[in-house]
Amino acid sequence: NAGVTQTPKFQVLKTGQSMTLQCAQDMNHEYMSWYRQDPGMGLRLIHYSVGAGITDQGEVPNGYNVSRSTTEDFPLRLLSAAPSQTSVYFCASSSRDATQGAQYFGPGTRLTVL
Amino acid sequence: SQQGEEDPQALSIQEGENATMNCSYKTSINNLQWYRQNSGRGLVHLILIRSNEREKHSGRLRVTLDTSKKSSSLLITASRAADTASYFCATDRSTGANSKLTFGKGITLSVRP
Repeated sequence: NAGVTQTPKFQVLKTGQSMTLQCAQDMNHEYMSWYRQDPGMGLRLIHYSVGAGITDQGEVPNGYNVSRSTTEDFPLRLLSAAPSQTSVYFCASSSRDATQGAQYFGPGTRLTVL
Repeated sequence: SQQGEEDPQALSIQEGENATMNCSYKTSINNLQWYRQNSGRGLVHLILIRSNEREKHSGRLRVTLDTSKKSSSLLITASRAADTASYFCATDRSTGANSKLTFGKGITLSVRP
């Protein structure tokens, strides 16, 4: 199993550009989430999904869109990039099984917005 | 808003010593989890403790949970240089399986050889 994969690993955007961060998992997990990590801030939840076709907002959703058309994929779209969105983005997945609990994280995408 | 707050923010110890990290939180939880992050990498799940549990062990890790004080501690025994990393506590307040974790800001642990 590849686990959770994210592409690209690095990206530089200009203010106002749009892009999609890709996330895929091969563990058949129902739950998927996007976090951003900023220095001294820990991880903050952007959007999450409890299954295909179902998404909801997290703590910091403004400026981001998500969709979940399949169980495997959960892309994050930046609509109009701003310097405040410079961050490291992590995708995570977890099982709906209440006996499980761990979230499995991808390696991250380091985004710089100029 | 941060649900979990770790303490201390940074910890430096000698190899072989024990490392104790603390986490406090504000509201009722379903479970509390600890994660490790090596520099430039994603987070790795270490251990989960449910709200009805008081102590749990996994290898060199021991985690305790005191729901009356809304606090948890992670003990790493006989530390190794490879334990050098950032450690995060995360709380799950969802009623079902975890889908929304709230992370603290993390503790930077340095283990000197």
